[in-house]
Order: sequence, then structure tokens, then C-alpha cells
Amino acid sequence: QVQLQESGPGLVKPSQTLSLTCTVSGGSISSGDYYWSWIRQPPGKGLEWIGYIYYSGSTYYNPSLKSRVTISVDTSKNQFSLKLSSVTAADTAVYYCARVLLLSHGMDVWGQGTTVTVSS
Amino acid sequence: QSALTQPASVSGSPGQSITISCTGTSSDVGSYNLVSWYQQHPGKAPKLMIYEGSKRPSGVSNRFSGSKSGNTASLTISGLQAEDEADYYCCSYAGSSTYVVFGGGTKLTVL
Repeated sequence: QVQLQESGPGLVKPSQTLSLTCTVSGGSISSGDYYWSWIRQPPGKGLEWIGYIYYSGSTYYNPSLKSRVTISVDTSKNQFSLKLSSVTAADTAVYYCARVLLLSHGMDVWGQGTTVTVSS
Repeated sequence: QSALTQPASVSGSPGQSITISCTGTSSDVGSYNLVSWYQQHPGKAPKLMIYEGSKRPSGVSNRFSGSKSGNTASLTISGLQAEDEADYYCCSYAGSSTYVVFGGGTKLTVL
């Protein structure tokens, strides 16, 4: 059974870069049947899609975040990562990683989420 | 402001049926049969309930069903149970420049 686990700093200073990693266990990130995604949820608000990556390294980003986002994959470690630059308080959120069904775009396995606060 | 429009809240009594709507445009919901629905309990990660508009993942109760008409997708929950009380989000593929859009979420209260 595939499981995803987010990790990274819980506190980031304004203007710095937020960096998170999602570790996939119980399955291979190199399976061609899935995308791997980051989604976030500000406190008390709804879900916002950040982007996808395919195991080959192809990336797809939310146009509103594209200038600040980089998603990468490390197949040797079965991990994928998120970098969000020039953060502000508006980037404070719970960040989730998820597995995405390739053809249907349904996000069928989620990590538990990690809270990132942007504050000096 | 979310790309897909959902009612902020719906409610129903145990045993009743409720429907949550999700209105998009001809660029997302209307163009693709790729709407998914997620259930989120407080403090928990979202859970996939419906994908490709009407398909249920293994393990999801058949009390949950999805449909679409034009630019509006719907999630129906029949035989409401107390455990169904949660936030529900719709999500749609939106083409090769926007890719994915979420609705703002609907809080379901079981009275």
C-alpha cells in the first residue's frame, strides 16, 4: 500500500525559499501510471493545486504560482520535492503531496500534510 | 476566488440525500469528464471519493455518486450518516495551460 510523507521546515522567513520533500513508500515513483503533486491549504481556506511532476521530470504548474515554483523528482530516493521562492505570509498553509492517476487526474493517495508558517 | 463554484454549506438529516453542485465553465468541467470529488474531515488530509465524474475508488461507499450536466458537476450522498459530516471539494482538469482547478469547498452538516 503506497504511502506518502511530507517533510521540511515548519517555519520559513519572508522572502526566503520554502523547501519540502515527499517520500513515497510501498511503491515506485517511477511507475508510469501516475503524476506526483503538491497541493496546499491556507488556514481555514480551501485547497489550491500547486503543480505536478511525472517521473521523467516533466512538470506542470499552477499559472498563478509558476514564476515561484519548482518541483523536482529523485527516482533513486523515491522522492519528489517542492521549492517555492520569495515567500510571504500568504504562503502560510498546510502543504500536501499526493499521487495522481495519470489519465483521470484523480488524486488517490495523499500525505498527512505538513504545516508551513511564513514569519520573521 | 476559486475557479469552480460550490455552495458554502449544505445540510441534511440522517437517512436523507443531499447534492452538492460544482459549477465551472466550458474550459474545465464542460470540456472534460475529469471531475473528482474529495472529502476532508477536520485536521485530516482529503480523501478521493469520486473520479472521472462518476467512478468510485475501491472502498468508497456506493452512497456516494457523481454526475455532470453541461458546466456543472454534482456529488450526491444518499442515506446520510453522521460520519459524512465533512468538507467536500470538487476538482477538474482544465486543459493544458491551467491544468487543475479546485472548487472553494462545501461544508456538509448532518443535522
